[in-house]
Amino acid sequence: QSALTQPASVSGSPGQSITISCTGTSSDVGSYNFVSWYQQHPGKAPKLMICEVNKRPSGVSNRFSGSKSGNTASLTISGLQAEDEGHYYCCSYSGSSTLMLFGGGTKLTVL
Amino acid sequence: EVQLLESGGGLVQPGGSLRLSCAASGFTFSSYAMSWVRQAPGKGLEWVSGISGSGGSTYYADSVKGRFTISRDNSKNTLYLQMNGLRDEDTAVYYCANWDWNYYWFDPWGQGTLVTVSS
Repeated sequence: QSALTQPASVSGSPGQSITISCTGTSSDVGSYNFVSWYQQHPGKAPKLMICEVNKRPSGVSNRFSGSKSGNTASLTISGLQAEDEGHYYCCSYSGSSTLMLFGGGTKLTVL
Repeated sequence: EVQLLESGGGLVQPGGSLRLSCAASGFTFSSYAMSWVRQAPGKGLEWVSGISGSGGSTYYADSVKGRFTISRDNSKNTLYLQMNGLRDEDTAVYYCANWDWNYYWFDPWGQGTLVTVSS
């Protein structure tokens, strides 16, 4: 199974909104509402930001939201802040021999 | 507070073996599935393996199947990853993470342990 496809980088100015896409196939993203998103700062462990496509864990800012259409999931960050800068990874259950697939990651730069 | 602390990483030659450990605290360990996720230097995340709370079910990525073995000792609140036949491409930081068994997300994560495979 191939990794999910994410843009290598996105950028935005403070206060703006950005969206990161995550494209899979009808066998993973398209078949299950088990898409999660993780934020990772340099040298740190990943942190869960969105689970089950659009649910925010306790403590995660409501500026983060998730959605899905067909084989593509998306993470939107509104009201960009400097602390949002880092890498973002999507992940989906695949139901195949490799159960969990990650995207290649997107580097977010806050200008 | 939930804490996951990995250990056991280090430098190993190609073809060698290594066992990673993940000590858990702050929650009822046996009630939760766990996973290992790795990250090669400068690269993205890759799911490696997962195990049910009881240890009765195990799952592996195709890239490590037949070489790695995941296990757990619920009496010691510890997760393990036995890695045999190590290859250069197994070089990575290995994270353990609580793995939601029903909705397939990972939270929280440990701080990771670095495994370097090199001659």
